[in-house]
Amino acid sequence: AQRVTQPEKLLSVFKGAPVELKCNYSYSGSPELFWYVQYSRQRLQLLLRHISRESIKGFTADLNKGETSFHLKKPFAQEEDSAMYYCALTARAGTALIFGKGTTLSVSS
Amino acid sequence: NAGVTQTPKFQVLKTGQSMTLQCAQDMNHNSMYWYRQDPGMGLRLIYYSASEGTTDKGEVPNGYNVSRLNKREFSLRLESAAPSQTSVYFCASNGLVNEQFFGPGTRLTVL
Repeated sequence: AQRVTQPEKLLSVFKGAPVELKCNYSYSGSPELFWYVQYSRQRLQLLLRHISRESIKGFTADLNKGETSFHLKKPFAQEEDSAMYYCALTARAGTALIFGKGTTLSVSS
Repeated sequence: NAGVTQTPKFQVLKTGQSMTLQCAQDMNHNSMYWYRQDPGMGLRLIYYSASEGTTDKGEVPNGYNVSRLNKREFSLRLESAAPSQTSVYFCASNGLVNEQFFGPGTRLTVL
């Protein structure tokens, strides 16, 4: 079955510390992986997708097919990074996303 | 471009009442979706529409119906609301590229 697992409900770090939000997936084919972010009381917005291989707001994510993981990393956390982060996958273009349960990132000074 | 819009933003219902959540997108997207967001559960797909005139059940369709009125609009109806349907509802759409665009959400409370 297709599944996205985010093992941490809450991740608390200090400003300037490195951040890694974990995401593991279960899918038999070659899915497309995403990270979405939701700031307080705002709509979800796309942060990263694995096929773009880009860095957004200092965040990067590498798809590891061997470990079926797509962890989100940032070397130095900022307070404005505090938000809910969702990992998601889809089987093919134009189809529904399967979301993980989300990880709340709290960055304090 | 307004993107994806939803109405209403907030709603309080009594058990057994009905209501329709409206969603519209102005990006000419074929696919539209309804998700619900609950604490500790992430987002779960209720229904989706791959194109105008088609709708399909998602992970949690019970207690809901949908209508894809035209390419722009995709509504979600609760015929007889239950407290278990208290949630935040998000509408989303995407085109050929896989980025989904989300609406601002509707916060629904069923008493």
